Amino acid sequence: DVKVTQSSRYLVKRTGEKVFLECVQDMDHENMFWYRQDPGLGLRLIYFSYDVKMKEKGDIPEGYSVSREKKERFSLILESASTNQTSMYLCASRGGQGFYEQYFGPGTRLTVT
Amino acid sequence: AQRVTQPEKLLSVFKGAPVELKCNYSYSGSPELFWYVQYSRQRLQLLLRHISRESIKGFTADLNKGETSFHLKKPFAQEEDSAMYYCALSGQGAQKLVFGQGTRLTINP
Repeated sequence: DVKVTQSSRYLVKRTGEKVFLECVQDMDHENMFWYRQDPGLGLRLIYFSYDVKMKEKGDIPEGYSVSREKKERFSLILESASTNQTSMYLCASRGGQGFYEQYFGPGTRLTVT
Repeated sequence: AQRVTQPEKLLSVFKGAPVELKCNYSYSGSPELFWYVQYSRQRLQLLLRHISRESIKGFTADLNKGETSFHLKKPFAQEEDSAMYYCALSGQGAQKLVFGQGTRLTINP
């Protein structure tokens, strides 16, 4: 079974803080993704990575950065958290060419006060 | 540009009634379409993929290229079908998915 884990289920941070969200997958997947999940807006892609040290911007990358130093780990960084980044953050992974299913983590609910 | 639209944010039906969750897409090439589901307190997971043409948990979805739709259907709803449903599209050779806004389905007893 594919397992995607996220470092925290709930996180509360103050405006201006630097925030790290960690995601780890155990299936040697090439592709990893970070999404925001907001009611009425669905899932929106923030960044994705198709290989170690490789990244591409998704639809809403502003205010975020990512890091992928090892194949199994993909970090989302909020350099200076703002209240409009309060959201549910989902990480996902997927195998390489020919694989289509994305496997999701449990999510991190981030509140920025 | 790729876009997925789910026109209903909320859908409520009675147990045993038919269910149809609507999904329309915009894509100029040949898309791959998916339905993902999130049950209460569970992680998002793949329900079905149009290419496989399978019926999963009694649900089916047919890709209609003429109407650019991929509606999810089940003839007889069950209470355990209550969940959040997302339609998603992947373009040819694309590595990423574009998701719709989601539909929260509630099955009333």
